[in-house]
Amino acid sequence: DAMVIQNPRYQVTQFGKPVTLSCSQTLNHNVMYWYQQKSSQAPKLLFHYYDKDFNNEADTPDNFQSRRPNTSFCFLDIRSPGLGDAAMYLCATRASTDTQYFGPGTRLTVL
Amino acid sequence: AQSVTQLDSHVSVSEGTPVLLRCNYSSSYSPSLFWYVQHPNKGLQLLLKYTSAATLVKGINGFEAEFKKSETSFHLTKPSAHMSDAAEYFCVVSDQGGSNYKLTFGKGTLLTVNP
Repeated sequence: DAMVIQNPRYQVTQFGKPVTLSCSQTLNHNVMYWYQQKSSQAPKLLFHYYDKDFNNEADTPDNFQSRRPNTSFCFLDIRSPGLGDAAMYLCATRASTDTQYFGPGTRLTVL
Repeated sequence: AQSVTQLDSHVSVSEGTPVLLRCNYSSSYSPSLFWYVQHPNKGLQLLLKYTSAATLVKGINGFEAEFKKSETSFHLTKPSAHMSDAAEYFCVVSDQGGSNYKLTFGKGTLLTVNP
């Protein structure tokens, strides 16, 4: 029973070509997070939504945007991917406690 | 400010032998502490969580961790390693002092299990 779903699992894009990654959840959690994880590193928080309130991390590049049209869905838009944006992108959710539940991730390759 | 130090970047054990993954933390508040596991090309799976109810926390797949406040440690153990335990393990502390519950991750420990 998948609770946090990410599509696609693998995404290949070209340098500079916009790409959108998708996350959906069946948990009805009010908080959703996007993390970037580069090879052999810990996940790095990009931003999160508390309900509809968007919270950007100070060091998240402007190239990264996010949308949350409803409770269940959250999107990560990379406007002009560079080679340095190749990474695993993880979506996570939480409710009222501090436990975050992660999706399987989307592996992004930039050619 | 809070921080997490995983003392070993790589641990190698033989199948059937005990596993010990070490983690030290610092936090200004009474922390929530987590261990997550990540298999190759997968997301993070919650192994266990400490919230102050009990210092010895039992998790999934036979793992457990003991919270030791005096040592600011939260080491992960398993009595007998299985091949399927080979993965990256992250020790994580939650910022309970803030309303957003931000997670601070350790750098991870790669566990290798040899047959």
